[in-house]
Amino acid sequence: KAGVTQTPRYLIKTRGQQVTLSCSPISGHRSVSWYQQTPGQGLQFLFEYFSETQRNKGNFPGRFSGRQFSNSRSEMNVSTLELGDSALYLCASSPDTPEETQYFGPGTRLLVL
Amino acid sequence: EDQVTQSPEALRLQEGESSSLNCSYTVSGLRGLFWYRQDPGKGPEFLFTLYSAGEEKEKERLKATLTKKESFLHITAPKPEDSATYLCAGLSGGGADGLTFGKGTHLIIQP
Repeated sequence: KAGVTQTPRYLIKTRGQQVTLSCSPISGHRSVSWYQQTPGQGLQFLFEYFSETQRNKGNFPGRFSGRQFSNSRSEMNVSTLELGDSALYLCASSPDTPEETQYFGPGTRLLVL
Repeated sequence: EDQVTQSPEALRLQEGESSSLNCSYTVSGLRGLFWYRQDPGKGPEFLFTLYSAGEEKEKERLKATLTKKESFLHITAPKPEDSATYLCAGLSGGGADGLTFGKGTHLIIQP
């Protein structure tokens, strides 16, 4: 079974731009969560989607948003990029609920200049 | 606020030298305690999930245990390929915040 895939793997943007990252979960998984990883803060939860609805949300500003499609694929969008948004963005999928193991993708490395 | 603290931050061992990594947590109504391994430039790789105090799980040279306040990852006779950052994460009873991760333990096994 194929793992979680994320595209693109690397991205360079400038301040003020917006960016869209994509995540394809493991086949049959319906829950998709997004995390931001930085050297200073570690891994922090952004949000979780299930059946095309945002089910849980972390403590990030409204510039961070996401959506999920009927095939469970998910996208996250960051508008008005700031230097501090430079990070590794990780997507994780699980079958249905957060208690079940979340399997992570390789991440998208975003650099904001 | 849920918190997960891992110690030590970094650990250097000789090949074959067993040790333990600590994960202390204050997570309300813990619904699961997860261990992951992360190699540089890669996403975290799942190792174990523990759901209740007293539970233990093993995989090759790794063994994870859980108490009401801590979890330990025991590494027996490690090899250089066990070098990685080990992450611990808790899922709270509300589940509203997703997984709360510790900062990780960076483990280096020298041949």
